[in-house]
Amino acid sequence: DAGITQSPRHKVTETGTPVTLRCHQTENHRYMYWYRQDPGHGLRLIHYSYGVKDTDKGEVSDGYSVSRSKTEDFLLTLESATSSQTSVYFCAISEPPTENYGYTFGSGTRLTVV
Amino acid sequence: AQSVSQHNHHVILSEAASLELGCNYSYGGTVNLFWYVQYPGQHLQLLLKYFSGDPLVKGIKGFEAEFIKSKFSFNLRKPSVQWSDTAEYFCAVNARSSNTGKLIFGQGTTLQVKP
Repeated sequence: DAGITQSPRHKVTETGTPVTLRCHQTENHRYMYWYRQDPGHGLRLIHYSYGVKDTDKGEVSDGYSVSRSKTEDFLLTLESATSSQTSVYFCAISEPPTENYGYTFGSGTRLTVV
Repeated sequence: AQSVSQHNHHVILSEAASLELGCNYSYGGTVNLFWYVQYPGQHLQLLLKYFSGDPLVKGIKGFEAEFIKSKFSFNLRKPSVQWSDTAEYFCAVNARSSNTGKLIFGQGTTLQVKP
């Protein structure tokens, strides 16, 4: 869908293990974002990137890290997974000016931490 | 910092009823405003957006929204809902002056339309 894919689509992992989620785009967009979706909280921004190797924290960044070594890939790592990180994770991309390009969302990764 | 508040968390309507979902944002500068819809099991889809110009914007599937700057509001409306409108609706905002394009979402409103 519009050149953005997330992997894996589903994952079950154990508490305390590291987990990496991948967002890959073929649109050559500058901006990339990671959100988590939880009931009653909507989508909350975890981390975002405004260029290769340029990243910053969002609203709920504790316990997460990101890396962007090339334009097309934005990786989200849960350093030591906890049950509170069970969620659906969405990646999004955009290009400035955002009013021209809008935002495109991936299909999501459903992560369960047991 | 920007924030978005959606006042209706769960709305239940019968088919053909009119819909209005509230959205208020907090930010002192110029903003871009969005409404997204998420059907069960799917990812987010853009319903409509406002950047500038006519404050009444029309989107897909008969939805519209009105930007009222003085009230910091961007409420979503539809004159007559259908069962297929059952979904979760999200309001979102980003600051026009931002060099990162951060998009901030409200908590979402679950709409259930009874046939």
